[in-house]
Amino acid sequence: GESVGLHLPTLSVQEGDNSIINCAYSNSASDYFIWYKQESGKGPQFIIDIRSNMDKRQGQRVTVLLNKTVKHLSLQIAATQPGDSAVYFCAETEGTGANSKLTFGKGITLSVRP
Amino acid sequence: DGGITQSPKYLFRKEGQNVTLSCEQNLNHDAMYWYRQDPGQGLRLIYYSQIVNDFQKGDIAEGYSVSREKKESFPLTVTSAQKNPTAFYLCATQNLAGGKNEQFFGPGTRLTVL
Repeated sequence: GESVGLHLPTLSVQEGDNSIINCAYSNSASDYFIWYKQESGKGPQFIIDIRSNMDKRQGQRVTVLLNKTVKHLSLQIAATQPGDSAVYFCAETEGTGANSKLTFGKGITLSVRP
Repeated sequence: DGGITQSPKYLFRKEGQNVTLSCEQNLNHDAMYWYRQDPGQGLRLIYYSQIVNDFQKGDIAEGYSVSREKKESFPLTVTSAQKNPTAFYLCATQNLAGGKNEQFFGPGTRLTVL
């Protein structure tokens, strides 16, 4: 089937290197952000999230950085592996619960070279 | 995919036919969402429901209809009025009482109009 990754910007990295995926968000009032990973033909999977009262959060092999001044979010993947090849996209929202809806970025395709 | 099932995985439709995509969840989440994903684009919200027997239009509701008769189920009907229905359709859920805005996604249904 046609991949959702077609026509998206692509980041190509060597296996074992670190990857940095960037996202510019639009709403200065957004206070919660999520990174999702989507493999071909599958639904998006949650990777890591961060609230606006933080500027850095670490998970297993991943780190999210938030710069509210310039409305920029980044996802760092350490020691990139072939299994990391996927489309990655950020999502932002303002508020919580019933009064909020996620807004999704278009995504970036990460391609890992063996 | 965390307790969210979508069926069928692939669906083919002739022009002029209505088709219904199934989404079922066993996460006991209040909110359910339908998104459309096209190559090179971000997720676009079609409809969402935060409570049984109530639903709201998203950004691209024209040509689609939904129902929420049970908390566990949120079927999406793609009607003949939708002029360009070929796309990847994603269902998502959210726990509104959880204090976070994370949405969990199903595996998706790829609809192709012949």
